[in-house]
Amino acid sequence: GEDVEQSLFLSVREGDSSVINCTYTDSSSTYLYWYKQEPGAGLQLLTYIFSNMDMKQDQRLTVLLNKKDKHLSLRIADTQTGDSAIYFCAESSGYSSASKIIFGSGTRLSIRP
Amino acid sequence: ETGVTQTPRHLVMGMTNKKSLKCEQHLGHNAMYWYKQSAKKPLELMFVYNFKEQTENNSVPSRFSPECPNSSHLFLHLHTLQPEDSALYLCASSQEGGQPQHFGDGTRLSIL
Repeated sequence: GEDVEQSLFLSVREGDSSVINCTYTDSSSTYLYWYKQEPGAGLQLLTYIFSNMDMKQDQRLTVLLNKKDKHLSLRIADTQTGDSAIYFCAESSGYSSASKIIFGSGTRLSIRP
Repeated sequence: ETGVTQTPRHLVMGMTNKKSLKCEQHLGHNAMYWYKQSAKKPLELMFVYNFKEQTENNSVPSRFSPECPNSSHLFLHLHTLQPEDSALYLCASSQEGGQPQHFGDGTRLSIL
């Protein structure tokens, strides 16, 4: 089946940029997503990108998509303590009732003072 | 308001109890989902409903019984659960299948 992989941990210094990377296997992906999960909460949809785009910027967040290499990244500029969370990469293909989102295992981002 | 509301937030139950988890979405979406999130395991899709019809049962044991009375409400009925069923149960909704999903904050379930 289709797979999404990401590293489990990332530690950055407060004020630096964080870059979380993800690879996926589905060559027919339609949407690619980044979700954020804070302790005790559900998954919050941070941003998503259509597969025909290669970049999307939203305030401190920049998503880059390399469709050829099936590589997705999330850059968080000026990382703050409130950015500490688990970040999930995900992808889906198609628009039918059978279409599902495939999630990675999540990257835990910790912030050093 | 989050758009997707789950109740209760926490539930402790014995293995012989019967309880239900509730999910309500205020987004006008047509698809709803149940996921299970256990420690150190990937997010597991359990059930999918599209326009109130179940379209996916991901080999879930029969002690979990979903119900979708309308497009805005989704229930998960629990009966005779096992300790390994302790987890965070997340509900999500999307406009249609394959589109961005919006999640509730989950129900943290503990089985004694």
